[in-house]
Amino acid sequence: GEDVEQSLFLSVREGDSSVINCTYTDSSSTYLYWYKQEPGAGLQLLTYIFSNMDMKQDQRLTVLLNKKDKHLSLRIADTQTGDSAIYFCAESSSASKIIFGSGTRLSIRP
Amino acid sequence: DAGVIQSPRHEVTEMGQEVTLRCKPISGHNSLFWYRQTMMRGLELLIYFNNNVPIDDSGMPEDRFSAKMPNASFSTLKIQPSEPRDSAVYFCASRSSGSVDEQFFGPGTRLTVL
Repeated sequence: GEDVEQSLFLSVREGDSSVINCTYTDSSSTYLYWYKQEPGAGLQLLTYIFSNMDMKQDQRLTVLLNKKDKHLSLRIADTQTGDSAIYFCAESSSASKIIFGSGTRLSIRP
Repeated sequence: DAGVIQSPRHEVTEMGQEVTLRCKPISGHNSLFWYRQTMMRGLELLIYFNNNVPIDDSGMPEDRFSAKMPNASFSTLKIQPSEPRDSAVYFCASRSSGSVDEQFFGPGTRLTVL
């Protein structure tokens, strides 16, 4: 079945760039997503990319998609303490169901 | 809109008791999802509904779990009898039809079964 994998932890220094990576298996993915979960809260859509794109930029966020390798990444420029959260990679190919990865916990050190 | 509403926010119960979690999706959304999140297993999709009809319940752990959606504005997830391994945060999410599959998550119910 479909699977989405990502590393569990990432630690970066404040002000540096964070890069969170993800791989997926479903070659028929239509959209790929990054969701953010802050402590004590539900997930919230951060950004998404359509499968026929290879890059999307939104302020400090850059999403890169390598469809051939089924690899998705999220780059956060100038990482701030407020970026501390769990980041979930996700993909969808059907009308309703999203497959989520296990989440990457991003911690920021001073 | 108030967003997805879940109740209770916290539930502590004893093993063997029945637990009912409630969800009110965003008005106008036609899909509803129940997820469970634990440290060990991450985020798991339990069941989802389209237009109040259960579409995929393959993630429901076992017969002790059941979910209903009697109308477009309300859903329940019931565990009977509850066990300590059911302790987790349970999220409800809703989605409207459209090209981008954005799901809106509720704040979750933290369930502790002693």
